[in-house]
Amino acid sequence: AQSVTQLGSHVSVSEGALVLLRCNYSSSVPPYLFWYVQYPNQGLQLLLKYTSAATLVKGINGFEAEFKKSETSFHLTKPSAHMSDAAEYFCAVRKAGTALIFGKGTTLSVSS
Amino acid sequence: GAVVSQHPSWVICKSGTSVKIECRSLDFQATTMFWYRQFPKQSLMLMATSNEGSKATYEQGVEKDKFLINHASLTLSTLTVTSAHPEDSSFYICSALDRQETQYFGPGTRLLVL
Repeated sequence: AQSVTQLGSHVSVSEGALVLLRCNYSSSVPPYLFWYVQYPNQGLQLLLKYTSAATLVKGINGFEAEFKKSETSFHLTKPSAHMSDAAEYFCAVRKAGTALIFGKGTTLSVSS
Repeated sequence: GAVVSQHPSWVICKSGTSVKIECRSLDFQATTMFWYRQFPKQSLMLMATSNEGSKATYEQGVEKDKFLINHASLTLSTLTVTSAHPEDSSFYICSALDRQETQYFGPGTRLLVL
C-alpha cells in the first residue's frame, strides 16, 4: 500500500530564505509523486510531479523537488521564499489505479 | 493548463434536504473524476472514483446511498448529498484526470448544513 508522510505540520521562514518542505513516501511499486499547493478556500494546484523520469523535478513558481529512492523522500524546495508562497502544501502519492493519497499537509508561513 | 470548475462554490441548506454539486472539466475530456472531502485544517480524503458511463467506486466507509455520484458525460460529474445533516458540512473538492493521468482539481464547494 502507498502512503506519504509530511514531516512538520507548520514551517515558518523569512522572505528570501530557503523553503524546505519534507515528504517521505512508502510504496510497494515505483511511485508517482506529486506536490500540490492550496490557498485558503480554494482547490489544489499542481506544483510538480515525479513519474519515474528525471529525479530532480522542476515545477511552477520556482519550486523543485528531488526524488531520492534510497531515502524514500521527495522533499520540496525553493531557494528564496516570497510572501505569496504562504499556503498549505500537500504531498501525494498515486495509489493503485489513479487516485491520490495525500499527506496531512504542511502550512508554510512567510514573514517579512 | 487544464481547468476544472465546480458549482456552486458554496451552499447553505437545511437539514434533511439534498444538495447537488457539479464538477466540470472545461478544456479536456475526463473519463475519470474523483471526489474528495476536506475537513478544516486537514488533508483531503478520497470519497469515490467516478467513471464516465459506469457506477462510481466508493472508498471504505463512504455511504454510496448518501453520496450519489453520476458521471453522465466526459466533462461532467455530479455529487448529490442526500438528506444532508450538519455532520455533512465540509469542503468538497473534485478532480479530473487528463490523458496524461494528471489530476486537476476544482476550486471546491463549501457545504454548510443547518
